[in-house]
Amino acid sequence: AQSVTQLDSHVSVSEGTPVLLRCNYSSSYSPSLFWYVQHPNKGLQLLLKYTSAATLVKGINGFEAEFKKSETSFHLTKPSAHMSDAAEYFCVVSARSSASKIIFGSGTRLSIRP
Amino acid sequence: EAQVTQNPRYLITVTGKKLTVTCSQNMNHEYMSWYRQDPGLGLRQIYYSMNVEVTDKGDVPEGYKVSRKEKRNFPLILESPSPNQTSLYFCASSLDGGVAWDTRRDTQYFGPGTRLTVL
Repeated sequence: AQSVTQLDSHVSVSEGTPVLLRCNYSSSYSPSLFWYVQHPNKGLQLLLKYTSAATLVKGINGFEAEFKKSETSFHLTKPSAHMSDAAEYFCVVSARSSASKIIFGSGTRLSIRP
Repeated sequence: EAQVTQNPRYLITVTGKKLTVTCSQNMNHEYMSWYRQDPGLGLRQIYYSMNVEVTDKGDVPEGYKVSRKEKRNFPLILESPSPNQTSLYFCASSLDGGVAWDTRRDTQYFGPGTRLTVL
């Protein structure tokens, strides 16, 4: 069985300060983990993906995430927030098994204060 | 241009009137999937398809049907829509569902979404 928990439904940071969006997962199989971003009234865009090649994954727009198996976490970070980062972020798990369900977290809304 | 298209983008209908939302991809992807997005719940998978003529239930399949007669198309059918199916729907596709160990293959590409209102 798989599950994803995004620990914060809303995060607010000031422009120029670090961003941390937290995600914990569980999976019976070796997972692929993703972060997607959804800007207001837009579709979903892939930010980054973990596929077991490296535990620190770099994505677009300066975001990165670190896979920590011992903590079953895949937190998303960015050193310095920009106003254009305001959006909804989804953590996603896909277990590479014969039943390829894909599970989305409930989302974290990121607000950026000027 | 590689893309996933959905039609219609917006639809307002009444309870019980059958409707179909189409989804098409031009990337020769084997895996296709439907999601609904509701506030506070993220995206929940309705149905997915590993290949032509192979479909399976996701987490919230009740009230929906799908078919996969061709590789490129994966329509979502609501035989008798109800107000609790008012939602934002996304179709997505990927090379495969991640069964293969080539982990480049399970990245999903999403359509633009269909906003459905059932009165």
